[in-house]
Amino acid sequence: QQQVKQSPQSLIVQKGGISIINCAYENTAFDYFPWYQQFPGKGPALLIAIRPDVSEKKEGRFTISFNKSAKQFSLHIMDSQPGDSATYFCAASYAGGTSYGKLTFGQGTILTVHP
Amino acid sequence: KAGVTQTPRYLIKTRGQQVTLSCSPISGHRSVSWYQQTPGQGLQFLFEYFSETQRNKGNFPGRFSGRQFSNSRSEMNVSTLELGDSALYLCASSFDGMNTEAFFGQGTRLTVV
Repeated sequence: QQQVKQSPQSLIVQKGGISIINCAYENTAFDYFPWYQQFPGKGPALLIAIRPDVSEKKEGRFTISFNKSAKQFSLHIMDSQPGDSATYFCAASYAGGTSYGKLTFGQGTILTVHP
Repeated sequence: KAGVTQTPRYLIKTRGQQVTLSCSPISGHRSVSWYQQTPGQGLQFLFEYFSETQRNKGNFPGRFSGRQFSNSRSEMNVSTLELGDSALYLCASSFDGMNTEAFFGQGTRLTVV
């Protein structure tokens, strides 16, 4: 019940296209959903995060869509650029005694944006 | 504002040895979490420290331990290293470890030979 399932494993898009990465969770206690971007040799960098009280959050070219009833959330990257080529991770957490400081991560999506 | 600093960046150790990794969180952050990242298992939570106390622990053997100092800096230790411990070890810093933004360091790449 602690799992977060992420798809696809890999994604290839053309420059200027839209990249969409999906995640699904089972634990209804989760109430914080961040996305991270990781380049080779670097640590994950926080991109954008959402809480269940909103259905969408946009920051620049990055948008999170959240569907509480379906227990799914997704990352949309508009106008994808070669510099966006990286591995993307969704994650989930909840505040509580057994969850302090713990993010549960999806398996990651390798995004390649062709010029 | 300085980010999360992990040292060393790279380590090569022999099976059976022990290793200590260090993490300095963002100034003002009191929660430090540690993760192991491998190609097969992804990002796995090791443990979290807040105000020098371990509040949460993942499903790792007792060979993996940690501590936190009064200045919030944290160390993790792995004893009796095994080949399977080869991984990228990441620490994440957050204000209070309760659904607040978590920021990762660059990681320490540990190779066990």
